Amino acid sequence: AQRVTQPEKLLSVFKGAPVELKCNYSYSGSPELFWYVQYSRQRLQLLLRHISRESIKGFTADLNKGETSFHLKKPFAQEEDSAMYYCALKVRAAGNKLTFGGGTRVLVKP
Amino acid sequence: KAGVTQTPRYLIKTRGQQVTLSCSPISGHRSVSWYQQTPGQGLQFLFEYFSETQRNKGNFPGRFSGRQFSNSRSEMNVSTLELGDSALYLCASSAGTGGEKLFFGSGTQLSVL
Repeated sequence: AQRVTQPEKLLSVFKGAPVELKCNYSYSGSPELFWYVQYSRQRLQLLLRHISRESIKGFTADLNKGETSFHLKKPFAQEEDSAMYYCALKVRAAGNKLTFGGGTRVLVKP
Repeated sequence: KAGVTQTPRYLIKTRGQQVTLSCSPISGHRSVSWYQQTPGQGLQFLFEYFSETQRNKGNFPGRFSGRQFSNSRSEMNVSTLELGDSALYLCASSAGTGGEKLFFGSGTQLSVL
């Protein structure tokens, strides 16, 4: 069975500092990886997915199959980045069943 | 387009009762997934429906069931409620063709007393 681990429950950084959220997964096949974000009083929403290889709101994430990781990075954190971030894994051809990590709360201080 | 709508927003039930939660997906979306969110277990997949058929199922007991109607609206039912069923239940919709973005609702907060 697949598993997603986010080792940090809370990350506190100052505005303008880099931020990196760790995500490790266990799955023997080729998964699809996602980052979802939930801002205060808003719905859970997709931030980015590895197949798109895009940068959203300054965030990037690279799938490292050797280390089974999909860390989320942003070089200069902004106060509006304060939110709950979830890493999620989907097995190909398994519909929309997502396995989520426990989440990391990011607090960006002024 | 209107977003994913879940009703009711809050529910309070007692042990042993049953409950039905409703989810209306974004217009045109054919896939509806359900997730349970608790502080201890986080977000866990319950099941997914696509074109009125259950396409995936998580590791929950048979007390948890669901269905999807021809208009893609979905309901989930929990019978014989237990205290541990207290959670935020989230519904997500997508076009259903695979690999696309999920759109989440605001959830139904269920409290079992």
